[in-house]
Amino acid sequence: AQSVSQHNHHVILSEAASLELGCNYSYGGTVNLFWYVQYPGQHLQLLLKYFSGDPLVKGIKGFEAEFIKSKFSFNLRKPSVQWSDTAEYFCAVNARDDKIIFGKGTRLHILP
Amino acid sequence: DAGVIQSPRHEVTEMGQEVTLRCKPISGHNSLFWYRQTMMRGLELLIYFNNNVPIDDSGMPEDRFSAKMPNASFSTLKIQPSEPRDSAVYFCASRIAGGTYNEQFFGPGTRLTVL
Repeated sequence: AQSVSQHNHHVILSEAASLELGCNYSYGGTVNLFWYVQYPGQHLQLLLKYFSGDPLVKGIKGFEAEFIKSKFSFNLRKPSVQWSDTAEYFCAVNARDDKIIFGKGTRLHILP
Repeated sequence: DAGVIQSPRHEVTEMGQEVTLRCKPISGHNSLFWYRQTMMRGLELLIYFNNNVPIDDSGMPEDRFSAKMPNASFSTLKIQPSEPRDSAVYFCASRIAGGTYNEQFFGPGTRLTVL
């Protein structure tokens, strides 16, 4: 069965710090990978996705993620975070059927 | 495009009452998902439909919960009778089925409080 593991439940950073949120999935075949963001009090929105081609994917608001097949990983990165990046981040995988499997989420808190 | 529409946005009810949550997916999307989000349990998939047919309802907590999709543009999630532990934000999402690269689009959610 597909599963997604997010290593950090809660991350606290200061503004301008670099960010990396870990995500590992379990599935041996072809996968499509997503990162969603949920700002306080709002719904989930797509940040970026990978389905083929360049394993380094660039998303909105300066975020990027790198798909490393050998490590079953899809870590999210941003070189310099802002206070407005405070949110919960969800990694997700879709390998077959129409069900996207979401991780438990990582709460990111940016100190001004 | 109006996106996924959910109603009501907020619902406060008393224990034992019936609650009905509504969702209108994005036009042209043929997969619809119901999620529940709480602080303790995170984001849980309750049920999803393809072409109006329930495909996987293994996440529905118990018989008090039921979901229907009578047509391609409308779905309901019903809780009867409601209990305080059902308090959560309920999200509906839709996507185009058949392509695993297609992302899900989420609605604004219904915040349910059961007193």
